Amino acid sequence: EVQLVESGGGLVKPGGSLRLSCAASGFTVINAWMNWVRQAPGKGLEWVGRIKSEASGGTPDYAAPVEDRFTISRDASKNTVYLQMNSLTTDDTGVYFCASDPYGWGQGTLVTVSS
Amino acid sequence: QSALTQPPSASGSPGQSVTISCTGTSSDVGGYNYVSWYQQHPDKAPKLMIHEVSKRPSGVPDRFSGSKSGNTASLTVSGLQSDDEADYYCASYAGIKTVFGTGTKVTVL
Repeated sequence: EVQLVESGGGLVKPGGSLRLSCAASGFTVINAWMNWVRQAPGKGLEWVGRIKSEASGGTPDYAAPVEDRFTISRDASKNTVYLQMNSLTTDDTGVYFCASDPYGWGQGTLVTVSS
Repeated sequence: QSALTQPPSASGSPGQSVTISCTGTSSDVGGYNYVSWYQQHPDKAPKLMIHEVSKRPSGVPDRFSGSKSGNTASLTVSGLQSDDEADYYCASYAGIKTVFGTGTKVTVL
């Protein structure tokens, strides 16, 4: 069974950092394009970034609002993808989903940036 | 990269059909055959309903269909059921980015 499980969310002060994890099962993350998508409270979906499959070069891409602050990486041995978030602002508050089509989406992890 | 444009709402009675549009540009929707559609019920994770414009993942009913013409993609839900009431989002590959639509709330009357 394919499953994606995010973890690492929580409350952080503005300017702080947080690292989210996305553990995959049922498929291999190095063979998939792995995305991070966020949703602010009461708002729509916003693409954050992705890391391509090894076959496609394995490089990350980022949305403009986060490209100088967020880093996506993966650990093949743990079949896990990470989202390192630095210099967080209140605009980064929301539920963060890990997603890989056509495999599926995780349940999301809540990040709250507040003083 | 601006969000793709979707109507804020759409509705239909049980058994009827509803079509949702998703308008982008030649840099996203019109430039690639990588448009996806997601269904999201309240407080739930999105679910992939259509990928690569018109392909249905295993388990998605054939009442859901996708198409594209130029810079506009469309999702049609036929034979509306109460469980189809949800928010729907399109998304398109756009080279070094992916862009989501603004979202459409579908109401089953």
